[in-house]
Amino acid sequence: QVQLQESGPGLVKPSETLSLTCTVSGVSIRSYYWNWIRQPPGKGLEWIGHMYHSGTTNYNPSLKSRVTMSVDTSKNQFYLNLTSVTAADTADYYCASSLAITGWNWFDSWGKGALVTVSS
Amino acid sequence: DVQMTQSPSSLSASVGDTVTITCRASQTINTYLNWYQKKPGRAPKVLIYAASSLQTGVPSRFSGSGSGTDFTLTISSLQPEDLATYYCQQTNSVPYTFGPGTTVDLK
Repeated sequence: QVQLQESGPGLVKPSETLSLTCTVSGVSIRSYYWNWIRQPPGKGLEWIGHMYHSGTTNYNPSLKSRVTMSVDTSKNQFYLNLTSVTAADTADYYCASSLAITGWNWFDSWGKGALVTVSS
Repeated sequence: DVQMTQSPSSLSASVGDTVTITCRASQTINTYLNWYQKKPGRAPKVLIYAASSLQTGVPSRFSGSGSGTDFTLTISSLQPEDLATYYCQQTNSVPYTFGPGTTVDLK
């Protein structure tokens, strides 16, 4: 059974970098694509991007200039860095697994989410 | 980017009712369309993938249909535990995009 757990600071100052870790258990991180999704308070879901253990990444163009994703296969973890944050980046951040890039592809396992607040 | 719209944005229904939510894509996406259920404080949960395939463990009262640009999620015999917000998602192309959501509550 695939389990994911997000971790990281719950409070980040404006203009600083938001950094989150997703720890994967129950499966090798080499087996899937790994996604980050966020939901600002009272708003809908936004896909941030995904990566594969090979280093292949795709980012949402709306965030591309500020996003970096990486993976540590030895720790079965993957990471999100979002630079120059503002209050608009305040959200619940989720990690999720998927099997492909496009086509018949869905997010079947999710972490419980991590609330990140951007405030001074 | 593929833009996703949903209607209605919210609805009120009674236990036992049949509920229908529609999702439209701004361009054809074949059947690369998924439906998620989102409850406050919980992660989204996939209900339907590939437009009409029921995810393992999801009650059979949930069903999906459609292809191309127009899709439907149907909940037959609404149950109290179905009160949630429902999102469609396209995976035809990156960036993946979600619809704005449809909130289902009790009448």
